Amino acid sequence: DARVTQTPRHKVTEMGQEVTMRCQPILGHNTVFWYRQTMMQGLELLAYFRNRAPLDDSGMPKDRFSAEMPDATLATLKIQPSEPRDSAVYFCASGLGSFEQFFGPGTRLTVL
Amino acid sequence: KQEVTQIPAALSVPEGENLVLNCSFTDSAIYNLQWFRQDPGKGLTSLLLIQSSQREQTSGRLNASLDKSSGRSTLYIAASQPGDSATYLCAVTGGTSGSRLTFGEGTQLTVNP
Repeated sequence: DARVTQTPRHKVTEMGQEVTMRCQPILGHNTVFWYRQTMMQGLELLAYFRNRAPLDDSGMPKDRFSAEMPDATLATLKIQPSEPRDSAVYFCASGLGSFEQFFGPGTRLTVL
Repeated sequence: KQEVTQIPAALSVPEGENLVLNCSFTDSAIYNLQWFRQDPGKGLTSLLLIQSSQREQTSGRLNASLDKSSGRSTLYIAASQPGDSATYLCAVTGGTSGSRLTFGEGTQLTVNP
């Protein structure tokens, strides 16, 4: 049963600390997305990769956020330094090209 | 900029009722439209994907239609069950948004036993 996995599932940290979230896309998928969900903004794209190359990171605050794909089986989203307004659920999704996207269970981040 | 709107924002129905959820989008140059389900505190489960060249897709009790020219999609749920209670999200790719999904705000569905 192929699925997207994300770690950690929950993270509580203090303002100013570094946070790293990890995602393992479905094997064979060449496109990986990072979305953020908040009550106020809903679901919004932060960044996405195709064949490990970043295609769009316009939704990401670049001064503190960074996204990478060290290899085809791992995507990371890093926040440094974290702020309370970063508290949200972060979802990773993967797909093949521009077709159906499959979402992971999310990382619920709380920054105190 | 693509905008997606879902109506109604919330819906409460008795078990067994057939229901329709609505989604509209402003830029008709989409690649595809995807319907998701989200349970409280959980991730998104893909329900149906409609390619821009298609008019509808069916899966079990679910039927989604797409009218690209008018910028509308509907999700029809037949014989609703309490287990269908969740938030249903509509999202599109394409146009100025490229491969990114642009989401609506969702319809929160409650099916009462």
